Amino acid sequence: GNSVTQMEGPVTLSEEAFLTINCTYTATGYPSLFWYVQYPGEGLQLLLKATKADDKGSNKGFEATYRKETTSFHLEKGSVQVSDSAVYFCALSDRGLTGGGNKLTFGTGTQLKVEL
Amino acid sequence: GAGVSQSPSNKVTEKGKDVELRCDPISGHTALYWYRQSLGQGLEFLIYFQGNSAPDKSGLPSDRFSAERTGGSVSTLTIQRTQQEDSAVYLCASSSQENTEAFFGQGTRLTVV
Repeated sequence: GNSVTQMEGPVTLSEEAFLTINCTYTATGYPSLFWYVQYPGEGLQLLLKATKADDKGSNKGFEATYRKETTSFHLEKGSVQVSDSAVYFCALSDRGLTGGGNKLTFGTGTQLKVEL
Repeated sequence: GAGVSQSPSNKVTEKGKDVELRCDPISGHTALYWYRQSLGQGLEFLIYFQGNSAPDKSGLPSDRFSAERTGGSVSTLTIQRTQQEDSAVYLCASSSQENTEAFFGQGTRLTVV
């Protein structure tokens, strides 16, 4: 079945530090890949996505590249801010291959804390 | 509506009681999903609706869990004879077509005591 593995948290960084959160996946076919973010006290929000190999998703200074050869979708940001403190979830959708529509399979989440 | 709305936002119930959780999706969204977010289990898929039918119920953890959707809009997730392990945040999401971005509600935090 489908699965997503992402690095354990919590991750604590100083402001302006470089961020990488690793994510690898196992899936049937060619899934779509996503990063969702959950800010404190808020619901899940889509941060970025990529739908095919070598696509790069980007938003708010975050980037992730769909790497089919390594089945990875690592999240990066060159300079984090305190306001980036949140829980980040990597996820995939097999786009209905298993009859579940846009059903998402999530990683366990990585908590990021950015300090001044 | 402007976004996915879930009610109640918090629910505390006694073990053995039944609970109903409500999801009001974005107007016009035909696909609706329920997920559960709990410590130790992460975010788990429960059930998917397309219109009023549920093509995928594979994530419902036991027969104590059921869900329905009426009028292609509001959905209710029912948990019968609640157990302490049912304590979690229950999230609802909707999307406009089968295979596009899903928008999430704020969730219902269920605590079984």
